[in-house]
Amino acid sequence: GENVEQHPSTLSVQEGDSAVIKCTYSDSASNYFPWYKQELGKGPQLIIDIRSNVGEKKDQRIAVTLNKTAKHFSLHITETQPEDSAVYFCAGSDYKLSFGAGTTVTVRA
Amino acid sequence: EAQVTQNPRYLITVTGKKLTVTCSQNMNHEYMSWYRQDPGLGLRQIYYSMNVEVTDKGDVPEGYKVSRKEKRNFPLILESPSPNQTSLYFCASSLIGGTGANVLTFGAGSRLTVL
Repeated sequence: GENVEQHPSTLSVQEGDSAVIKCTYSDSASNYFPWYKQELGKGPQLIIDIRSNVGEKKDQRIAVTLNKTAKHFSLHITETQPEDSAVYFCAGSDYKLSFGAGTTVTVRA
Repeated sequence: EAQVTQNPRYLITVTGKKLTVTCSQNMNHEYMSWYRQDPGLGLRQIYYSMNVEVTDKGDVPEGYKVSRKEKRNFPLILESPSPNQTSLYFCASSLIGGTGANVLTFGAGSRLTVL
């Protein structure tokens, strides 16, 4: 099955700076890579996803990049704001979804 | 409002005392799943259901049972809880399953402590 590794486990950034979270996957058959954001006391919620036929996708301040050859993908958050503080999970999927261990992002005011 | 509802949100129990965590969705989703979240381990799938009366094991099914008698409900049963089942549990649903490429809607979580 798929194995997804996520780094770093914690990330502290100054408000306005950028944040980058990186994930690697093991199964070359994986073709769908979502990112979920979990705010305190809530369940994870999809914020952006990318499919294997696309190299990059952007939605306002967040972007994902995918390198199929190297089997890694990344989440980029620009101009971070306090509401970006949360736990972020990457995931990879061939026929079932496998999640990374999560990254706790703290945006310092 | 489209949502997944879990109950209870918090529970402290003792070893061996059977408990059930309920999960209900109002979106007519076919696929439902249970995950547990532990520090450093992320979200691990316990059981999932592709449709009514169809359930299957996920990655960490030991010590858990599920049933899917109705489309909207997917309860998680711990017949004899043990301290290693202390965790944060999430129920999730999606329109269909089987491909992995479906948006999951998660409940708010149920924090379980087994003493």
